[in-house]
Amino acid sequence: EDKVVQSPLSLVVHEGDTVTLNCSYEVTNFRSLLWYKQEKKAPTFLFMLTSSGIEKKSGRLSSILDKKELFSILNITATQTGDSAVYLCAVATGANSKLTFGKGITLSVRP
Amino acid sequence: KAGVTQTPRYLIKTRGQQVTLSCSPISGHRSVSWYQQTPGQGLQFLFEYFSETQRNKGNFPGRFSGRQFSNSRSEMNVSTLELGDSALYLCASSTDRTEAFFGQGTRLTVV
Repeated sequence: EDKVVQSPLSLVVHEGDTVTLNCSYEVTNFRSLLWYKQEKKAPTFLFMLTSSGIEKKSGRLSSILDKKELFSILNITATQTGDSAVYLCAVATGANSKLTFGKGITLSVRP
Repeated sequence: KAGVTQTPRYLIKTRGQQVTLSCSPISGHRSVSWYQQTPGQGLQFLFEYFSETQRNKGNFPGRFSGRQFSNSRSEMNVSTLELGDSALYLCASSTDRTEAFFGQGTRLTVV
């Protein structure tokens, strides 16, 4: 059975801190790894990673994938209160669009 | 470009009833996937439809079913509702095997 594990489960930081969110996976027929941010309802897409070692960056957020060690990290620098959310990691496998999600990491950024 | 639209946003149903949820994907997206999100289990895959065919199915009982129409709109149906079916039901659309974009979800409460 495909498995995605995120850590830590929750995190409290202060504005300006840098955080690293972890995602490891054990799946069959890996295709890509995706990160989402969920604040209220709809998870919003952050990154999709398919190749090892190539960092994806968007503003203060960046992510990288290690396909040998089967994990990914999401970094957020200079955190802001608006970064408070649940961060979801998901893995796409096989020839269809099914995503297997981790349980999510709840990030709280205090002023 | 309009996003993924789910209706209704909120539903309250009684045990034993059935319910139908609707999802209109982003224009041009042919893949629609459904997920159930609960606090304990996180996001769990229900099924995926592509070009009106169910391409993949998760580990849910037969009470959960779905379909997709020729315009890519999708519906999911839950029959004989149980208290444990109370959850946020999320629909995601994608072109095919690319990043998925989520709707706002339907919050179903079974009493």
